[in-house]
Amino acid sequence: ILNVEQSPQSLHVQEGDSTNFTCSFPSSNFYALHWYRWETAKSPEALFVMTLNGDEKKKGRISATLNTKEGYSYLYIKGSQPEDSATYLCAFVNTGFQKLVFGTGTRLLVSP
Amino acid sequence: EPEVTQTPSHQVTQMGQEVILRCVPISNHLYFYWYRQILGQKVEFLVSFYNNEISEKSEIFDDQFSVERPDGSNFTLKIRSTKLEDSAMYFCASSVLSTIYFGEGSWLTVV
Repeated sequence: ILNVEQSPQSLHVQEGDSTNFTCSFPSSNFYALHWYRWETAKSPEALFVMTLNGDEKKKGRISATLNTKEGYSYLYIKGSQPEDSATYLCAFVNTGFQKLVFGTGTRLLVSP
Repeated sequence: EPEVTQTPSHQVTQMGQEVILRCVPISNHLYFYWYRQILGQKVEFLVSFYNNEISEKSEIFDDQFSVERPDGSNFTLKIRSTKLEDSAMYFCASSVLSTIYFGEGSWLTVV
């Protein structure tokens, strides 16, 4: 069974705060790690696909790092805005590439 | 930008009834998936489909579930006899490389 864990489960920050979340995944048979931004009842929005150990990706104020040897990825949001409020999901893909295995998500609430 | 479309966006059905959820994947994609999210729980994989057959399915995907690609464009999920616990958001997805595109989901409420 592939286990993908995310922490914290939820986070409440003030506008302007920077924040980060963790995704832990199996360190063997790694193929890719995805980060998604998900608002309830909408389709998940792909943020990053990361494949190489040491990868760092950036999209505006959001960035992510990847450590495949120890099985974790961090997602950072710099200067959080209320529109960043959403659930952030990571998903692990193993070398069989049959499916994504999602973490439980981190629910972010940014107050003005 | 290409997108995966799903219909209906919301369906209410009585327990025991059959439901068909429809999806139109992105046209040049090769892999198709159904996921679901029961309210408040994590996203769960149901089934993946490649080359006109199921390539993998989860324990959730029992005999009550089936998938079809009847006409080369639509990808359907059928639930034969719905149960209360089938109430969830069902997401269709398609992929060609390592990024999966999701539809907006179909809310299924079983009463």
